[in-house]
Amino acid sequence: GAVVSQHPSWVICKSGTSVKIECRSLDFQATTMFWYRQFPKQSLMLMATSNEGSKATYEQGVEKDKFLINHASLTLSTLTVTSAHPEDSSFYICSAGKRRQNTEAFFGQGTRLTVV
Amino acid sequence: SQKIEQNSEALNIQEGKTATLTCNYTNYSPAYLQWYRQDPGRGPVFLLLIRENEKEKRKERLKVTFDTTLKQSLFHITASQPADSATYLCALDGSNYQLIWGAGTKLIIKP
Repeated sequence: GAVVSQHPSWVICKSGTSVKIECRSLDFQATTMFWYRQFPKQSLMLMATSNEGSKATYEQGVEKDKFLINHASLTLSTLTVTSAHPEDSSFYICSAGKRRQNTEAFFGQGTRLTVV
Repeated sequence: SQKIEQNSEALNIQEGKTATLTCNYTNYSPAYLQWYRQDPGRGPVFLLLIRENEKEKRKERLKVTFDTTLKQSLFHITASQPADSATYLCALDGSNYQLIWGAGTKLIIKP
């Protein structure tokens, strides 16, 4: 299988600050990466889809100015939560696909964000 | 809209028995369906993918069935072990290479 590394695995930040989460595909080129948010005992909620070299596509209800996504290379995508508030506290997970087709998804370890 | 249902209640199974989890979907005809395992505080891990023209798929102690008429997939773990305890998610292919996720079923294997 392919390896996707997500960093950090957990972060605590003060309200009003910004937090950057990195997602790297270590042994393959990921043309598409997905960012999810997951609340306890709930399903993965897709936030946005990022394609290398182009702007991310955000799901309805997700503020693109608050959740900045950059996919500058085929191995790295970043999610920045700007001006974080306690309601942004959640588990954020990225996944990457090997090709522009529907195959199994490879996930990062997830990032537990706590805003205090 | 597309909807995926998995049993939200935890499933308790005695070690050694077969665990069976259900994934039902509506308003959709997916080309394939996937099952993932998720441990607490971790990202999902891919287990099996089954295509619409496949009735059954096996991998070691795992077996997945796909009934497109019933719009249902069953996920079986035979000879279950405490280490199989986790939340199991099913996912269907959506548009734009996205996956549509169920909420998952928590499986508890008791020694």
